[in-house]
Amino acid sequence: DVKVTQSSRYLVKRTGEKVFLECVQDMDHENMFWYRQDPGLGLRLIYFSYDVKMKEKGDIPEGYSVSREKKERFSLILESASTNQTSMYLCASRGGLSYNEQFFGPGTRLTVL
Amino acid sequence: AQSVTQLDSQVPVFEEAPVELRCNYSSSVSVYLFWYVQYPNQGLQLLLKYLSGSTLVESINGFEAEFNKSQTSFHLRKPSVHISDTAEYFCAVSRGGSQGNLIFGKGTKLSVKP
Repeated sequence: DVKVTQSSRYLVKRTGEKVFLECVQDMDHENMFWYRQDPGLGLRLIYFSYDVKMKEKGDIPEGYSVSREKKERFSLILESASTNQTSMYLCASRGGLSYNEQFFGPGTRLTVL
Repeated sequence: AQSVTQLDSQVPVFEEAPVELRCNYSSSVSVYLFWYVQYPNQGLQLLLKYLSGSTLVESINGFEAEFNKSQTSFHLRKPSVHISDTAEYFCAVSRGGSQGNLIFGKGTKLSVKP
């Protein structure tokens, strides 16, 4: 089975801190994604990557950056956390073309105080 | 631009009743359509998808969805729900190609009551 793991299930940070959210997949997938999930807004794409060291902005990239140094790992970085970044963050990976399934991690619930 | 509309944010039903979760999409090009399910405290998992061919697609746990091109809809149905179907359901659309990404609806929370 494909497994996508995220470094933390729950995280509490203070405003202005630099925050790293890590995601690792074990199926050699080319494509990886970061979403945030908020009640009533569904999932919104923050960034995605279709290859090592490649990254593309999604719909809401402001305040975030990403890093993909190895194929299996995709990191989301909040350079200076703010309270409006309190959310559930979901990582996903996908092999091949867009009609293939995206596999999701369990999510990280981030609270910024 | 593509978009996905899930018409109901919450759907409460009694166990063994039928249910329909509605999804409409807008796109000027051919798309792929998906339903994902999120059980409490878990990530999303694929329920079923439509790529081409037969307009009726089924999942292994009794759900089905019908692609209707003229109405740009992809509604999800189950004839008899169980308590274990309680979850949030997301409809999603994807463009083709290697970098086509998913656009999700806002989700429908299905609550099955005994």
